[in-house]
Amino acid sequence: DSGVTQTPKHLITATGQRVTLRCSPRSGDLSVYWYQQSLDQGLQFLIQYYNGEERAKGNILERFSAQQFPDLHSELNLSSLELGDSALYFCASSVTPADYGYTFGSGTRLTVV
Amino acid sequence: DQQVKQNSPSLSVQEGRISILNCDYTNSMFDYFLWYKKYPAEGPTFLISISSIKDKNEDGRFTVFLNKSAKHLSLHIVPSQPGDSAVYFCAASARRGNEKLTFGTGTRLTIIP
Repeated sequence: DSGVTQTPKHLITATGQRVTLRCSPRSGDLSVYWYQQSLDQGLQFLIQYYNGEERAKGNILERFSAQQFPDLHSELNLSSLELGDSALYFCASSVTPADYGYTFGSGTRLTVV
Repeated sequence: DQQVKQNSPSLSVQEGRISILNCDYTNSMFDYFLWYKKYPAEGPTFLISISSIKDKNEDGRFTVFLNKSAKHLSLHIVPSQPGDSAVYFCAASARRGNEKLTFGTGTRLTIIP
Protein backbone atom coordinates (compact mmCIF):
# COMPACT_ATOMS: atom_id res chain seq x y z
CA ASP A 1 0.00 0.00 0.00
CA SER A 2 1.65 3.21 -1.22
CA GLY A 3 -0.51 5.46 0.95
CA VAL A 4 -2.20 7.05 -2.08
CA THR A 5 -5.75 5.74 -2.39
CA GLN A 6 -7.66 5.81 -5.65
CA THR A 7 -11.28 4.83 -6.05
CA PRO A 8 -12.83 3.11 -7.83
CA LYS A 9 -10.26 0.60 -9.11
CA HIS A 10 -12.34 -0.24 -12.16
CA LEU A 11 -15.07 1.67 -13.94
CA ILE A 12 -17.07 0.67 -17.01
CA THR A 13 -19.36 3.26 -18.50
CA ALA A 14 -21.04 4.19 -21.76
CA THR A 15 -20.07 6.88 -24.23
CA GLY A 16 -21.50 10.28 -23.41
CA GLN A 17 -21.57 9.62 -19.67
CA ARG A 18 -19.75 11.46 -16.88
CA VAL A 19 -17.59 9.87 -14.18
CA THR A 20 -15.66 11.06 -11.14
CA LEU A 21 -12.37 9.53 -10.06
CA ARG A 22 -11.24 10.10 -6.52
CA CYS A 23 -7.78 10.32 -4.98
CA SER A 24 -6.68 10.58 -1.37
CA PRO A 25 -3.02 11.60 -1.16
CA ARG A 26 -0.48 10.16 1.22
CA SER A 27 -0.71 11.70 4.69
CA GLY A 28 1.22 14.97 4.79
CA ASP A 29 1.46 15.37 1.02
CA LEU A 30 0.11 18.68 -0.26
CA SER A 31 0.67 18.21 -3.97
CA VAL A 32 -1.54 15.98 -6.13
CA TYR A 33 -0.95 15.03 -9.75
CA TRP A 34 -3.17 13.25 -12.28
CA TYR A 35 -1.73 11.19 -15.12
CA GLN A 36 -3.38 9.22 -17.91
CA GLN A 37 -1.91 6.06 -19.38
CA SER A 38 -3.50 4.87 -22.59
CA LEU A 39 -2.68 1.51 -24.17
CA ASP A 40 1.05 1.18 -24.93
CA GLN A 41 1.63 4.81 -24.04
CA GLY A 42 3.67 6.45 -21.34
CA LEU A 43 1.99 8.34 -18.57
CA GLN A 44 0.64 11.66 -19.82
CA PHE A 45 0.46 14.52 -17.34
CA LEU A 46 -3.02 15.98 -16.95
CA ILE A 47 -3.03 18.41 -14.05
CA GLN A 48 -1.39 19.27 -10.71
CA TYR A 49 -2.80 20.79 -7.55
CA TYR A 50 -0.91 22.12 -4.58
CA ASN A 51 -2.70 22.80 -1.30
CA GLY A 52 -6.03 23.32 -3.03
CA GLU A 53 -4.82 25.48 -5.89
CA GLU A 54 -4.24 24.46 -9.50
CA ARG A 55 -0.50 24.68 -10.13
CA ALA A 56 0.14 23.20 -13.56
CA LYS A 57 -1.90 21.94 -16.46
CA GLY A 58 -0.91 19.46 -19.14
CA ASN A 59 -2.78 18.23 -22.19
CA ILE A 60 -6.05 17.95 -20.32
CA LEU A 61 -9.15 17.98 -22.48
CA GLU A 62 -11.80 20.62 -21.87
CA ARG A 63 -14.21 17.77 -21.09
CA PHE A 64 -12.02 16.92 -18.11
CA SER A 65 -11.78 18.92 -14.92
CA ALA A 66 -10.30 18.42 -11.49
CA GLN A 67 -10.18 19.98 -8.08
CA GLN A 68 -8.47 19.53 -4.75
CA PHE A 69 -10.57 19.92 -1.64
CA PRO A 70 -9.64 21.44 1.75
CA ASP A 71 -8.96 17.96 3.14
CA LEU A 72 -6.48 17.60 0.21
CA HIS A 73 -8.29 14.79 -1.55
CA SER A 74 -8.74 15.35 -5.26
CA GLU A 75 -11.33 14.43 -7.84
CA LEU A 76 -10.95 14.13 -11.60
CA ASN A 77 -14.19 14.62 -13.51
CA LEU A 78 -14.49 13.21 -17.01
CA SER A 79 -17.57 14.13 -19.03
CA SER A 80 -19.03 13.40 -22.47
CA LEU A 81 -16.91 10.29 -22.46
CA GLU A 82 -15.59 8.87 -25.70
CA LEU A 83 -14.14 5.45 -26.49
CA GLY A 84 -10.67 7.01 -26.64
CA ASP A 85 -10.91 8.05 -23.00
CA SER A 86 -10.50 4.43 -21.98
CA ALA A 87 -7.25 4.36 -20.03
CA LEU A 88 -5.59 3.95 -16.66
CA TYR A 89 -5.80 7.14 -14.63
CA PHE A 90 -3.15 7.52 -11.97
CA CYS A 91 -3.05 9.93 -9.10
CA ALA A 92 0.25 10.72 -7.39
CA SER A 93 1.19 12.88 -4.45
CA SER A 94 4.28 14.51 -3.00
CA VAL A 95 5.07 16.67 -0.02
CA THR A 96 5.94 19.70 -2.11
CA PRO A 97 5.84 20.45 -5.82
CA ALA A 98 9.63 20.25 -5.94
CA ASP A 99 9.70 16.73 -4.58
CA TYR A 100 9.86 14.51 -7.65
CA GLY A 101 9.79 11.19 -5.91
CA TYR A 102 6.06 10.99 -6.44
CA THR A 103 4.06 8.31 -4.70
CA PHE A 104 1.53 6.86 -7.09
CA GLY A 105 -1.76 5.22 -6.36
CA SER A 106 -2.65 1.95 -8.03
CA GLY A 107 -4.83 3.68 -10.60
CA THR A 108 -8.40 3.60 -11.86
CA ARG A 109 -8.99 1.62 -15.01
CA LEU A 110 -11.71 3.34 -17.02
CA THR A 111 -13.38 1.46 -19.84
CA VAL A 112 -15.79 3.37 -22.07
CA VAL A 113 -18.10 1.14 -24.13
CA ASP B 1 5.79 14.51 -30.00
CA GLN B 2 7.52 11.91 -27.83
CA GLN B 3 10.12 13.91 -25.89
CA VAL B 4 11.21 10.91 -23.83
CA LYS B 5 11.77 7.69 -25.73
CA GLN B 6 12.35 4.15 -24.58
CA ASN B 7 12.97 2.33 -27.81
CA SER B 8 13.05 -1.18 -26.37
CA PRO B 9 9.55 -2.30 -25.40
CA SER B 10 10.95 -5.42 -23.75
CA LEU B 11 14.18 -6.92 -22.45
CA SER B 12 15.02 -10.37 -21.09
CA VAL B 13 18.05 -10.92 -18.88
CA GLN B 14 19.43 -13.94 -17.08
CA GLU B 15 19.31 -13.82 -13.30
CA GLY B 16 22.61 -12.56 -11.86
CA ARG B 17 23.58 -10.70 -15.02
CA ILE B 18 23.45 -6.97 -15.66
CA SER B 19 20.25 -5.37 -16.97
CA ILE B 20 20.68 -2.17 -18.95
CA LEU B 21 17.63 -0.10 -19.77
CA ASN B 22 17.99 2.87 -22.09
CA CYS B 23 16.19 6.16 -22.48
CA ASP B 24 16.66 9.05 -24.91
CA TYR B 25 15.26 12.54 -24.68
CA THR B 26 14.93 15.41 -27.11
CA ASN B 27 14.12 18.42 -24.94
CA SER B 28 17.35 20.18 -23.97
CA MET B 29 15.48 21.96 -21.16
CA PHE B 30 15.15 18.70 -19.22
CA ASP B 31 17.49 18.79 -16.25
CA TYR B 32 16.16 16.16 -13.89
CA PHE B 33 15.59 12.51 -14.69
CA LEU B 34 13.93 9.67 -12.85
CA TRP B 35 13.28 5.97 -13.20
CA TYR B 36 10.08 4.37 -12.00
CA LYS B 37 9.29 0.68 -11.70
CA LYS B 38 5.79 -0.69 -12.17
CA TYR B 39 4.36 -4.07 -11.26
CA PRO B 40 1.00 -5.22 -12.70
CA ALA B 41 -2.07 -3.76 -10.97
CA GLU B 42 0.10 -1.30 -9.05
CA GLY B 43 1.11 2.29 -9.59
CA PRO B 44 4.66 3.21 -10.59
CA THR B 45 7.20 3.27 -7.76
CA PHE B 46 10.04 5.78 -7.70
CA LEU B 47 13.38 4.02 -8.08
CA ILE B 48 16.25 6.45 -8.61
CA SER B 49 16.86 9.93 -9.98
CA ILE B 50 19.69 12.07 -11.32
CA SER B 51 20.20 15.77 -11.76
CA SER B 52 21.83 17.14 -14.89
CA ILE B 53 24.78 18.37 -12.85
CA LYS B 54 25.80 14.75 -12.33
CA ASP B 55 26.62 11.98 -14.75
CA LYS B 56 26.10 9.05 -12.39
CA ASN B 57 23.99 8.20 -9.38
CA GLU B 58 24.10 4.93 -7.52
CA ASP B 59 21.72 3.31 -5.06
CA GLY B 60 22.50 -0.26 -4.14
CA ARG B 61 22.10 -2.48 -7.19
CA PHE B 62 20.76 0.41 -9.27
CA THR B 63 22.91 2.95 -11.10
CA VAL B 64 21.70 5.65 -13.46
CA PHE B 65 24.09 7.16 -15.99
CA LEU B 66 23.43 10.44 -17.79
CA ASN B 67 25.11 11.51 -21.02
CA LYS B 68 23.92 15.07 -21.61
CA SER B 69 25.68 15.56 -24.91
CA ALA B 70 23.94 12.48 -26.31
CA LYS B 71 20.69 13.23 -24.48
CA HIS B 72 20.76 9.68 -23.23
CA LEU B 73 20.38 8.00 -19.88
CA SER B 74 20.55 4.41 -18.82
CA LEU B 75 19.63 2.36 -15.79
CA HIS B 76 21.92 -0.48 -14.79
CA ILE B 77 20.75 -3.21 -12.45
CA VAL B 78 23.48 -5.47 -11.09
CA PRO B 79 22.98 -8.27 -10.29
CA SER B 80 19.52 -8.77 -11.75
CA GLN B 81 17.04 -10.62 -9.55
CA PRO B 82 13.67 -12.23 -10.35
CA GLY B 83 11.90 -9.51 -8.34
CA ASP B 84 13.25 -6.95 -10.79
CA SER B 85 10.84 -8.23 -13.45
CA ALA B 86 8.57 -5.23 -14.05
CA VAL B 87 7.93 -2.35 -16.44
CA TYR B 88 10.47 0.45 -16.09
CA PHE B 89 9.58 4.01 -17.00
CA CYS B 90 12.05 6.77 -17.63
CA ALA B 91 10.80 10.30 -16.80
CA ALA B 92 12.19 13.79 -17.19
CA SER B 93 11.46 17.30 -16.05
CA ALA B 94 12.54 20.87 -16.76
CA ARG B 95 12.50 21.93 -13.15
CA ARG B 96 12.50 25.64 -13.50
CA GLY B 97 8.86 26.61 -13.32
CA ASN B 98 7.65 23.30 -14.68
CA GLU B 99 7.16 20.50 -12.23
CA LYS B 100 5.38 17.98 -14.40
CA LEU B 101 7.12 14.78 -15.44
CA THR B 102 7.28 13.61 -19.03
CA PHE B 103 7.33 9.82 -19.18
CA GLY B 104 8.62 7.37 -21.73
CA THR B 105 6.49 4.44 -22.89
CA GLY B 106 8.25 1.93 -20.67
CA THR B 107 10.42 -1.17 -21.05
CA ARG B 108 9.19 -4.53 -19.79
CA LEU B 109 12.11 -6.28 -18.08
CA THR B 110 11.92 -10.03 -17.57
CA ILE B 111 14.55 -11.73 -15.44
CA ILE B 112 15.01 -15.37 -16.39
CA PRO B 113 15.86 -17.64 -13.44
